[in-house]
Amino acid sequence: GQNIDQPTEMTATEGAIVQINCTYQTSGFNGLFWYQQHAGEAPTFLSYNVLDGLEEKGRFSSFLSRSKGYSYLLLKELQMKDSASYLCAVLDSNYQLIWGAGTKLIIKP
Amino acid sequence: NAGVTQTPKFRVLKTGQSMTLLCAQDMNHEYMYWYRQDPGMGLRLIHYSVGEGTTAKGEVPDGYNVSRLKKQNFLLGLESAAPSQTSVYFCASSYISGGGPQETQYFGPGTRLLVL
Repeated sequence: GQNIDQPTEMTATEGAIVQINCTYQTSGFNGLFWYQQHAGEAPTFLSYNVLDGLEEKGRFSSFLSRSKGYSYLLLKELQMKDSASYLCAVLDSNYQLIWGAGTKLIIKP
Repeated sequence: NAGVTQTPKFRVLKTGQSMTLLCAQDMNHEYMYWYRQDPGMGLRLIHYSVGEGTTAKGEVPDGYNVSRLKKQNFLLGLESAAPSQTSVYFCASSYISGGGPQETQYFGPGTRLLVL
C-alpha cells in the first residue's frame, strides 16, 4: 500500500529552527508537496520538490531525497503565526496526491 | 478573483437526509477535487473531475455522488447522510495533471458537516 509518515506533533520556540520530516512509500513518484494548514482553515501551498536537493523560499526550505523516500521542511526564525499543521503529500505514478496526516507545530514564546 | 469558494460553510443533518455541497472556482482550472478531512487522518479523496462533464472515483467514494456540468462548478451530493460522514469537506482545483508545480491544488475554505 501507499504510506506517508510524519510526526503527529512538534513543539518549538519562537525565533528557533524546526525540521519536520516526512517519509513516503508510494507507487511511483512525480513530486512532493508541502502545505500549511492553520486550524479551521484550508491548506495552502508552501513548496514543491521533484529533484533531489534543497529548495529555499525565504524562511522556509524543503529537502528531498528520492532514493531514501524522505523529505523535510525546515522553518527558520520561527514566528507565532507559524503555529499550524504541515501536510506532506506525494504525487504517485497515476498523478494522484497521497496525503500524510500532517504535523501539528506548536510555537511557544 | 475569489479563487475557490464553497457553500455552505456549516451544516447539520439528520441521518437519512440528503444535501448538496457546491464548489466554484474562477481560475479556469481543469481539475477539481473533493476531499474529506478527519482528525488524525490525511486528506482523503472522494471524487475528482478532469474536465467538464467527467468525474472519477477517488479513495473513499461510497455514499457520495458528484457532477461537473460546468467547468467552474463541482457538486458533491450525499443521498442519505450517515453519522460516519461527519467531517470537514474541502474542494480543491488545479490547472492540469501530468506532474510539475501545475499540480498545485488550491483549496476552498471547507464545509463542516455534522450528521446526527
